[in-house]
Amino acid sequence: DGGITQSPKYLFRKEGQNVTLSCEQNLNHDAMYWYRQDPGQGLRLIYYSQIVNDFQKGDIAEGYSVSREKKESFPLTVTSAQKNPTAFYLCATRLSMNTEAFFGQGTRLTVV
Amino acid sequence: AQSVTQPDIHITVSEGASLELRCNYSYGATPYLFWYVQSPGQGLQLLLKYFSGDTLVQGIKGFEAEFKRSQSSFNLRKPSVHWSDAAEYFCAVGLVGGYQKVTFGTGTKLQVIP
Repeated sequence: DGGITQSPKYLFRKEGQNVTLSCEQNLNHDAMYWYRQDPGQGLRLIYYSQIVNDFQKGDIAEGYSVSREKKESFPLTVTSAQKNPTAFYLCATRLSMNTEAFFGQGTRLTVV
Repeated sequence: AQSVTQPDIHITVSEGASLELRCNYSYGATPYLFWYVQSPGQGLQLLLKYFSGDTLVQGIKGFEAEFKRSQSSFNLRKPSVHWSDAAEYFCAVGLVGGYQKVTFGTGTKLQVIP
């Protein structure tokens, strides 16, 4: 069954701890993206990757880090430097340039 | 920089009534345009897309959208709304010829009343 799997669906962490969100895809898509969603603000791009071992900062990359060691995987680490990490995080993929994005089901991160 | 404006934060319609959700974009060239729908706590699902050609595009679930270059708009329409259409709708614009970001509007939350 093809798709994008984000895990876990809910994640709770204490303030000051790093946390890693998983995104795996079996669609064989080249590009992968991480978006952050907050109420009333739409989706904001954190990082994206066009190919393995390469990634680019988006609009709100501060306090986040990513890696792209495999085509299928694009994990996002929320570091303690991120001031307001509580949010809904969405992973997306695109087959190639000039195509639409497909989304995972999201991870809701709550930092207490 | 590209931007997308959805002027309506909330819209309430009666079941069976027609629907139009507004979307305006700002971009220096012809963009790719999308409409997505999101149910609470879920990811986004693509309703329809415009890349080129016919400016009236048909999507899933009975939705359609019309690209009007002169007005920089891409409004979403449905002739008769069903209760299951209640969700949040996002308009988005993408850059032609690159992997760069797809920019999203802030969303319009649709409430359907019986």
